[in-house]
Amino acid sequence: DQQVKQNSPSLSVQEGRISILNCDYTNSMFDYFLWYKKYPAEGPTFLISISSIKDKNEDGRFTVFLNKSAKHLSLHIVPSQPGDSAVYFCAAKTGGGADGLTFGKGTHLIIQP
Amino acid sequence: DTAVSQTPKYLVTQMGNDKSIKCEQNLGHDTMYWYKQDSKKFLKIMFSYNNKELIINETVPNRFSPKSPDKAHLNLHINSLELGDSAVYFCASSLRAGVLNTEAFFGQGTRLTVV
Repeated sequence: DQQVKQNSPSLSVQEGRISILNCDYTNSMFDYFLWYKKYPAEGPTFLISISSIKDKNEDGRFTVFLNKSAKHLSLHIVPSQPGDSAVYFCAAKTGGGADGLTFGKGTHLIIQP
Repeated sequence: DTAVSQTPKYLVTQMGNDKSIKCEQNLGHDTMYWYKQDSKKFLKIMFSYNNKELIINETVPNRFSPKSPDKAHLNLHINSLELGDSAVYFCASSLRAGVLNTEAFFGQGTRLTVV
């Protein structure tokens, strides 16, 4: 049972345009959401996060939006750059002591020149 | 200086063997994890240790045994390796368990291939 879903396995965007990656979740107990970026043969690296009490968090070119009623979040990258080509994982965690991350399957973002 | 380092990066071994993957973090974090990324690319948590104590143990076969000699190290020992154990294993750490607004830092992964 997938609690975090990324329904687009891949996304192709032209350099300079906006990339929008989507993520849906089913567990209403999730309190904190994170996006990770992963290059081949490397571990995931943290990109940006958002608490469930907020609806938007921005860090430079990256903005994460959370729609709690729809159980949906999205990552916007603008402008997209060639170095943004990677697999992006959406992850979520609940509060409390057991704080492992639940990951989506990832979206492979390809930035075309 | 690598924050979370795991060795080896690649491991090829025969079925039935016993192998270990080592992980060390120099971030001063209290909590360490093992995640498995299978052939379908799902990243799933296996274990979580907080200050050397096990706090999460997902439905992982008993052949997998984590060992935390101190809070900077979390090693993964696997007995009687099976073909289905082939995957990429990631070690991670975070500040401490129960703190919501913290991210986990991941190692580079160990690609285990069982033949």
